Amino acid sequence: GAVVSQHPSWVICKSGTSVKIECRSLDFQATTMFWYRQFPKQSLMLMATSNEGSKATYEQGVEKDKFLINHASLTLSTLTVTSAHPEDSSFYICSATLHGEAFFGQGTRLTVV
Amino acid sequence: AQSVTQLGSHVSVSEGALVLLRCNYSSSVPPYLFWYVQYPNQGLQLLLKYTSAATLVKGINGFEAEFKKSETSFHLTKPSAHMSDAAEYFCAVRTNNNDMRFGAGTRLTVKP
Repeated sequence: GAVVSQHPSWVICKSGTSVKIECRSLDFQATTMFWYRQFPKQSLMLMATSNEGSKATYEQGVEKDKFLINHASLTLSTLTVTSAHPEDSSFYICSATLHGEAFFGQGTRLTVV
Repeated sequence: AQSVTQLGSHVSVSEGALVLLRCNYSSSVPPYLFWYVQYPNQGLQLLLKYTSAATLVKGINGFEAEFKKSETSFHLTKPSAHMSDAAEYFCAVRTNNNDMRFGAGTRLTVKP
């Protein structure tokens, strides 16, 4: 099956700093990628749809200026959490779809201290 | 809008017992339904998917699910639980935008 790789797997940052998370489709091209957030003991919630070469589409309640998404190539989307705060601590997962099936990255555990 | 609802946030079974995890869907069009498993601090692993080809879908690790339109259900089953099945399970539906909408999840505990 197709592989989606996410980096880093975990990151700890200080409050007020920015963190970048990368999502790569290793063996296929993805014009669209998705970013999800999962709080402890909760389900995954779609944050935004990342579109190659155009602006991302954000779900209601997700601050686009805080969660910057860049989909600069057909195999890479990045999510930057700007001015991170402890409430941004969460598990972030990306996915890309190939032939109607979603493939997920390993996830990134972000802890803001 | 397409959505899924998982009944039971926590299911506990004994090793060797039947596993039944419940999922009901809401969709105005024929849905594409999925079951995923998640181990702690890991991503999602696809167990199986329903894409209208067959109502009984067999997945990995001995899991299967049956699509029942009359009940709008897609429950996940496994005849005999193994200790390694302990994990979080998510039912999901693919939307028209190709993103996934997940249920709240069911934590499966397997007792020795």
